[in-house]
Amino acid sequence: GAVVSQHPSRVICKSGTSVKIECRSLDFQATTMFWYRQFPKKSLMLMATSNEGSKATYEQGVEKDKFLINHASLTLSTLTVTSAHPEDSSFYICSACETGLNTEAFFGQGTRLTVV
Amino acid sequence: AQSVAQPEDQVNVAEGNPLTVKCTYSVSGNPYLFWYVQYPNRGLQFLLKYITGDNLVKGSYGFEAEFNKSQTSFHLKKPSALVSDSALYFCAVRFKRGSQGNLIFGKGTKLSVKP
Repeated sequence: GAVVSQHPSRVICKSGTSVKIECRSLDFQATTMFWYRQFPKKSLMLMATSNEGSKATYEQGVEKDKFLINHASLTLSTLTVTSAHPEDSSFYICSACETGLNTEAFFGQGTRLTVV
Repeated sequence: AQSVAQPEDQVNVAEGNPLTVKCTYSVSGNPYLFWYVQYPNRGLQFLLKYITGDNLVKGSYGFEAEFNKSQTSFHLKKPSALVSDSALYFCAVRFKRGSQGNLIFGKGTKLSVKP
């Protein structure tokens, strides 16, 4: 299957700082990218959906000013957690799709964020 | 509202026995259904999908799933379970919302295969 690279895999940051997570599709053009947050033993919570070159659509309850998403190219999307707090500690996963509802999403390996 | 349900938090199976992981969905219009597997501290791996056509879909690692429109179900199955199949399994549905397709997941089912 197609490859999606997510970086970093782990990050520890101090409260109040910002952290950027990158998601790259390596061998296909990702017109749509999804960002999820996964809590321990819980499902994936969709945070936002983004199309290349346009603003992301955030799910209800997700602060767009806190979780900044940029999808500037067909191969790169970034999630920036601004002014991080310990409650932002979580496992963040990105996925990318080609055009079309019938295409499967390919997932990055996830980023474990710990805010201390 | 569009939704996906996985009624079982955990499924326990003995190695060599058949396994079923259940999934039901609620989507207006034609559903695009997917199964993914997640190993500890890893991203999700695509197993199989149903778009149209034959209701029985075959996927990776010997898994298959049966689309049942009348029961709005898409259960994941495997004739003979392996210990290495132990993982977290997610059912997902993709649907059109605005100008973008959305992709939502069930809460996941932990599969435990004992030797």
